[in-house]
Formats: sequence, C-alpha cells, structure tokens
Amino acid sequence: NAGVMQNPRHLVRRRGQEARLRCSPMKGHSHVYWYRQLPEEGLKFMVYLQKENIIDESGMPKERFSAEFPKEGPSILRIQQVVRGDSAAYFCASSLRTPSSYEQYFGPGTRLTVT
Amino acid sequence: AQTVTQSQPEMSVQEAETVTLSCTYDTSENNYYLFWYKQPPSRQMILVIRQEAYKQQNATENRFSVNFQKAAKSFSLKISDSQLGDTAMYFCAYTNNAGNMLTFGGGTRLMVKP
Repeated sequence: NAGVMQNPRHLVRRRGQEARLRCSPMKGHSHVYWYRQLPEEGLKFMVYLQKENIIDESGMPKERFSAEFPKEGPSILRIQQVVRGDSAAYFCASSLRTPSSYEQYFGPGTRLTVT
Repeated sequence: AQTVTQSQPEMSVQEAETVTLSCTYDTSENNYYLFWYKQPPSRQMILVIRQEAYKQQNATENRFSVNFQKAAKSFSLKISDSQLGDTAMYFCAYTNNAGNMLTFGGGTRLMVKP
C-alpha cells in the first residue's frame, strides 16, 4: 500500500510566479491536510479537505493561497505570486477518520524555494 | 486555542541508554488524541505512537512508550535502548475530538551518540 505521495519534492520559483504542489493520499483515505514548516520550527496547519470540500481553512493565509481536492485526482495547494516568505517545506497528510483512528500519515513534503 | 509546548530544544543520549522527551499541552477539551512524530534528516514525518485521552493505560510501541498524565496535561515520550537511527527531531502533537488539525510543539532535536 503506497504511502502519501507528494510532488514535486523540490520546487524553485521566482518572486511573482505561481507554485502548485500536489498530494495523493494513501489508498482509501479521503481526508487530506496541508501543513507548512518553516526552518527550525514545527509544522503549522493550513487547511483540511475532503473530496470536493474544504472543511477547515483556518490556517490558510487570506490572500494568494488556495487548495482543492477534486473528485478525481490529487489535492492541489496553489500559491499565487510567491514571495520569499513563502519559502518553506509543505507537507500533506491523509487520514481514514474512523471513530477509532485519527492518525494522520504524512508525505515526504515539498520544499519550496523562492528566489 | 490549544497549545503544545516542548521545553527541551535539544537532547543527547548514549546508544543503548534510555531518554525521555517532555511535552505539555493546554486544552479545555475532555476527549482528544496525542501523538509523537519523528522527523529524521530525510524530513519525512513518521508516526511513532498515539494516545487517546479517554484511555488511562499508557501506550507502548516496542522501545517507545509514553507517560500520559491527563490532570497535569503532560505527555512524555520514553525511548528505551536508544539506537543511532533514533537520531531525529521529535514532535509532540494534539488533536481534539473533531480531528480537523494537528497542533504541533516546537520539537526536540535528539542526538544518539555511539
């Protein structure tokens, strides 16, 4: 059973460009979460999605950031007009969310560098 | 809002010895879940152990065990017989019964010395 897949693993963008990060959850998981990790810090929650729905986006910056999880295909985190402060590792996690299982399983992350 | 605090930025331990990493949290909820994640140099987040707040028994996974003190809101991780491969950042994390997000502590960098 493949784990959570993220691509690309490394992404370099110039200031003002768009960044698209992709996440394929574990097989059978329909809940996806995005987190951001700045250097030497813990992960910070950004958004929680189920298929075709955003459930909780309380951690998402109000501008330039958006996320989707379509009926078919991976979840996408999109950052428009990137700035240097967006440089970070972005992690996706998925879960089964049964009453007895709240574990989130993480992908390897995408390291975004804005030059 | 829930907060998670790890008061030890760095720790070291000799191979084969035991080490305990501390974690405290703040919540007004009664039902919640606590986790320890390991992040080795590869940066992959690996789930080490989980604890349900409604369970009084401390969770154990092979060499890893927790000391869960609900009244004190403390959730420490004990690693027995430390191995070189245990060298990593360790993050304590909390989620409430809704489970919409994990709240992470700042991490403890553990170095296992040969």
